[in-house]
Amino acid sequence: QVQLQESGPGLVKPSETLSLTCTVSGGSISTYYWSWIRQPPGKGLEWIGYIHYSGSTYYNPYLKSRVTMTIDASKNQFSLKLNSVTAADTAVYYCARGASPGYWGQGILVTVSS
Amino acid sequence: DIVMTQTPLSLSVTPGQAASISCKSSQSLLHSDGKTYLYWYLQKPGQSPQLLIYEVSNRFSGVPDRFSGSGSGTDFTLKISRVEAEDVGVYYCMQATHSPRTFGQGTKVDIK
Repeated sequence: QVQLQESGPGLVKPSETLSLTCTVSGGSISTYYWSWIRQPPGKGLEWIGYIHYSGSTYYNPYLKSRVTMTIDASKNQFSLKLNSVTAADTAVYYCARGASPGYWGQGILVTVSS
Repeated sequence: DIVMTQTPLSLSVTPGQAASISCKSSQSLLHSDGKTYLYWYLQKPGQSPQLLIYEVSNRFSGVPDRFSGSGSGTDFTLKISRVEAEDVGVYYCMQATHSPRTFGQGTKVDIK
């Protein structure tokens, strides 16, 4: 069964760039769409966007100016960059398989603080 | 953006009893391709969300048949026929017909 694992810094300074990687195991990344979703502490879910293995992307318009997603099929990984972060970007970030995700990673808490 | 409104926001259920959660969208979720992209997720305590139902009424792989989804247009329902202790958590509906995808605010289910 496919498994996803997020990795990256748990603490990012305001105005800097949040960078996360999702490693996929148990299946090839060279199919499906791959998504990022986030959840501020104690709050609901916010869809960030998704990337296709071909490299095509779709981002939430509210985050589009700050988001970049990439995919590295050779490593079976895909990545998220969110620039100019503020405290409002503090959240658990999930990677997931599918544009409407069926399989999710365990999530990684990223705190934006100086 | 499409606003997804869930009711109730919390629900306390006796094991073995039925439970129902409503999800209403601010616009019809019927896509031009004829499908309705409404999903249900359960986030158990301390876990990531898990997909229960896709496209209104289809159970995802491994989901028990006590979970069922129904609805059309703007009104949707998730039903649990006989609640078990493992069903506690927060249930979210999500629409993927319109961009961006949006989630309901969540319904917290616990056991009496």
